[in-house]
Amino acid sequence: DAGVIQSPRHEVTEMGQEVTLRCKPISGHNSLFWYRQTMMRGLELLIYFNNNVPIDDSGMPEDRFSAKMPNASFSTLKIQPSEPRDSAVYFCASRYRGRDQPQHFGDGTRLSIL
Amino acid sequence: AQRVTQPEKLLSVFKGAPVELKCNYSYSGSPELFWYVQYSRQRLQLLLRHISRESIKGFTADLNKGETSFHLKKPFAQEEDSAMYYCALTKGSGGSNYKLTFGKGTLLTVNP
Repeated sequence: DAGVIQSPRHEVTEMGQEVTLRCKPISGHNSLFWYRQTMMRGLELLIYFNNNVPIDDSGMPEDRFSAKMPNASFSTLKIQPSEPRDSAVYFCASRYRGRDQPQHFGDGTRLSIL
Repeated sequence: AQRVTQPEKLLSVFKGAPVELKCNYSYSGSPELFWYVQYSRQRLQLLLRHISRESIKGFTADLNKGETSFHLKKPFAQEEDSAMYYCALTKGSGGSNYKLTFGKGTLLTVNP
């Protein structure tokens, strides 16, 4: 298995632009998570899905952020409009159902908003 | 709400010395606890989970429910152990209980 696949690996864009981050979870996993990592705040859970349905989006910073999971093999995290304070590494993770199953992380997208 | 505390932001040891990375949690039920490791600019990787009681790369961690701790230990540190270590907790099965709560992480540096 190729693991959790995220794209792009790096994104540099100007503030005000729309940014779309993509994630392909491990096949067969039914939960998907989006995290943001910064030096100041560490790892923060933004949103997660069970069976393609958003369960908890309490970590989404504001309305500029949105996430979708149209099917079991694809999810997007969109920021519109982007701001410099959104600069961070964004990780996607997936997990198989059941107790004590770990989350498997992708390589992350390093986002820089100028 | 559950919480994970890693009291040390930075930990520096010499090669061959024992290392202990502390993790304390607050949760009244039966948690699932994990240690994740992140090498420089790489993805988070699962290192240990308490349920399996295994040793990975020489690391072990024991769940102490009385002290609500899940400290990570290794008797002889190696330079390649230098990384960021995260302790994480999830409440258990079903619905929102699969959400992982992470500590702030401890950056371990093993000096030659």
